Amino acid sequence: GNSVTQMEGPVTLSEEAFLTINCTYTATGYPSLFWYVQYPGEGLQLLLKATKADDKGSNKGFEATYRKETTSFHLEKGSVQVSDSAVYFCALILPYGGSQGNLIFGKGTKLSVKP
Amino acid sequence: EPEVTQTPSHQVTQMGQEVILRCVPISNHLYFYWYRQILGQKVEFLVSFYNNEISEKSEIFDDQFSVERPDGSNFTLKIRSTKLEDSAMYFCASRNRGNEQFFGPGTRLTVL
Repeated sequence: GNSVTQMEGPVTLSEEAFLTINCTYTATGYPSLFWYVQYPGEGLQLLLKATKADDKGSNKGFEATYRKETTSFHLEKGSVQVSDSAVYFCALILPYGGSQGNLIFGKGTKLSVKP
Repeated sequence: EPEVTQTPSHQVTQMGQEVILRCVPISNHLYFYWYRQILGQKVEFLVSFYNNEISEKSEIFDDQFSVERPDGSNFTLKIRSTKLEDSAMYFCASRNRGNEQFFGPGTRLTVL
């Protein structure tokens, strides 16, 4: 079936460290891929997205590239800040015709950044 | 900037009681969703709604759940007889014709 697999957390980094959160997916067709972020006590916010192979989504210093050959969408940031501490969810939407666009989420990866 | 709103932010109820969670999607959006997140677990799809009817639902969305868009602005999720395992954060989301979904801040439901 269709699914998203993320690296297990929690991930603890020092400020200014490099971040990678791995995400791979299984899906029929060519899904759109997303990273959502959930800050403590808040709801889900879209961080970035990519809708086709080789697209790179970017926002707030975070990047992720849609890799069809490896079915991956790894999240990266060159220098994390304490304010990046949050839970990060990788998600996909199947192409239209497969569903009404409901998001399929990974389990989430909790990131803690220490000063 | 338009946003999705949800009320209440926290609902506490006794097992077996009915609850209604309310959402006001972004006004020109066409597709509406409910998701839930049990504490510490992943966000799970419950139901999608389009053109005044359910378009898709997950196996979680059984006969105890129902959704309604009663007045063209609100979008509600009703749980008829709550169980302990219904305790979760419930998120409403909406989108227009694009695939970006906008989420509300969530309602934390606690069933005692």
